[in-house]
Amino acid sequence: DTEVTQTPKHLVMGMTNKKSLKCEQHMGHRAMYWYKQKAKKPPELMFVYSYEKLSINESVPSRFSPECPNSSLLNLHLHALQPEDSALYLCASSPLTGGRSYEQYFGPGTRLTVT
Amino acid sequence: ILNVEQSPQSLHVQEGDSTNFTCSFPSSNFYALHWYRWETAKSPEALFVMTLNGDEKKKGRISATLNTKEGYSYLYIKGSQPEDSATYLCAFISGGYQKVTFGIGTKLQVIP
Repeated sequence: DTEVTQTPKHLVMGMTNKKSLKCEQHMGHRAMYWYKQKAKKPPELMFVYSYEKLSINESVPSRFSPECPNSSLLNLHLHALQPEDSALYLCASSPLTGGRSYEQYFGPGTRLTVT
Repeated sequence: ILNVEQSPQSLHVQEGDSTNFTCSFPSSNFYALHWYRWETAKSPEALFVMTLNGDEKKKGRISATLNTKEGYSYLYIKGSQPEDSATYLCAFISGGYQKVTFGIGTKLQVIP
């Protein structure tokens, strides 16, 4: 299995809702990433987990809460979001070993709309 | 904030033309430079992982070069085909930690 899966594909939520995004990979990769991508902008790194520990938090507001229950699974819990948080949320994983250790394997993304 | 710039941001070429675009990045604290192709409605997919100054990589009609001392990488496409139409992203990986910084991308459209 050489793919990263993300669910749901689309999500519409109100500003008072709580929802979660899910990302899964079964390639044995030991780093997993959340990115936020707005139209006409590059993917912007939010969080990195390596060996199931949070290693990078790019000063992301606390209304975004990541979780890595095991090496294959990465969640992003969402609470009290703002309309400006509407974006494509991409998950990626990397092997962390070998010559291509930080190569990003991306999922298809979740298109989030906050109303 | 790391500055990773790509130019041009948008490019239209005729089928059969060769083209190239640029990624510039900080010349200090370099670990790796990646190129990705991002087709509409698909996930970004890695083209090249480049780690050494002077690296040249090739995949079919696409090739890339790397100059870490001056902080730039070129991506070349020879004899562009409509299926090459995509956004090409470069990503700079800083040494010592796993921070990945993407450029804004070059959106290529190949006109049949």
